[in-house]
Amino acid sequence: AQSVTQPDIHITVSEGASLELRCNYSYGATPYLFWYVQSPGQGLQLLLKYFSGDTLVQGIKGFEAEFKRSQSSFNLRKPSVHWSDAAEYFCAGLSGGYNKLIFGAGTRLAVHP
Amino acid sequence: DTEVTQTPKHLVMGMTNKKSLKCEQHMGHRAMYWYKQKAKKPPELMFVYSYEKLSINESVPSRFSPECPNSSLLNLHLHALQPEDSALYLCASSRGIADTDTQYFGPGTRLTVL
Repeated sequence: AQSVTQPDIHITVSEGASLELRCNYSYGATPYLFWYVQSPGQGLQLLLKYFSGDTLVQGIKGFEAEFKRSQSSFNLRKPSVHWSDAAEYFCAGLSGGYNKLIFGAGTRLAVHP
Repeated sequence: DTEVTQTPKHLVMGMTNKKSLKCEQHMGHRAMYWYKQKAKKPPELMFVYSYEKLSINESVPSRFSPECPNSSLLNLHLHALQPEDSALYLCASSRGIADTDTQYFGPGTRLTVL
């Protein structure tokens, strides 16, 4: 079955440090993959998406992600984290038609000053 | 404008009440979605509407009744809910239901069932 896995439930980084959030997928064909961010009590905001083409995808707020077919991964990165980046991050993929999104369990990011 | 609005922001209801959640978008999108998100969990799809017609019902109990009166508006009617239905209800919209049609989410309605 198609699925998306986020191995890290909780990550803490210091402000100004680099960040990498992991996402692994299980798909037969080339997957359509997304990263969304959710601040406490809020809806989801799309950071970036990968459909095809260039495997390094640039998103909003200084985030980027790299699609690696050999590792079945789509990790999210940011070179320097700001305190406002503290939030829940969801990796997602499409499954079963009708633009149906399935989400990973999420990674909660805490940022220390 | 990529805004999806949802009202109310918060809703508290008893198990015998009838209430409705409202979602609106003015982006010309023809697909709209309801998701349910329990605390510390990812969103789970409930319903998909495409061109005002129900395309997917993810085996949601009948106490949740969706309605899409026009392409800009999506309602979720609630009746005889259970305390375990307390959650954040998210609405989303997209241009269509093609795989390349990005979904835009509203801020959600936080529902508490007493």
